[in-house]
Amino acid sequence: DTGVSQNPRHKITKRGQNVTFRCDPISEHNRLYWYRQTLGQGPEFLTYFQNEAQLEKSRLLSDRFSAERPKGSFSTLEIQRTEQGDSAMYLCASSLGAASPTEAFFGQGTRLTVV
Amino acid sequence: RKEVEQDPGPFNVPEGATVAFNCTYSNSASQSFFWYRQDCRKEPKLLMSVYSSGNEDGRFTAQLNRASQYISLLIRDSKLSDSATYLCVVNALTTGGFKTIFGAGTRLFVKA
Repeated sequence: DTGVSQNPRHKITKRGQNVTFRCDPISEHNRLYWYRQTLGQGPEFLTYFQNEAQLEKSRLLSDRFSAERPKGSFSTLEIQRTEQGDSAMYLCASSLGAASPTEAFFGQGTRLTVV
Repeated sequence: RKEVEQDPGPFNVPEGATVAFNCTYSNSASQSFFWYRQDCRKEPKLLMSVYSSGNEDGRFTAQLNRASQYISLLIRDSKLSDSATYLCVVNALTTGGFKTIFGAGTRLFVKA
């Protein structure tokens, strides 16, 4: 399967714990995006990378959230000291291009439940 | 103001109906535009790109009006299988380059 891969698919954690999600984009794609989606809403932009450079981080993202893409390939999203409000689907997408990105392809997402 | 705004929905239509979705975007430097479809508990998938001249793919027609910063999607002869959430997507120019922004989506229910 050469699509976008996300792990784990589901994560249940206790409030206050740290969690880390991984995304493996389509191999030749230089752009990688993280989104958060809650029920009834569209994907909400969190951050994105072009190669290993993190180009923008949403103001909605608190300091408890951090993302990396150390070698310009896979990416990780870490949430520290999780809160119940962090419960959502976390979607990763990748695309190709800089000046005019192609359409984004999504992974199946990681569903986080904070109890 | 949200960067991408869509009709709130939901739309409930009978099979065979024609339904239109509207979307506006705030960043005039936006370049490429798309409609995505998202089924319940699934990831969004590309339905079609939107070109300045307008484009059609079977029962689906997309239109772009750059002057009004408006995008539309028309579905003709709707099928039960068209029931889904339709997401308007814009590549918006920011200080870091282009980033892909989604609208909140419009839910469509097609009934027999």
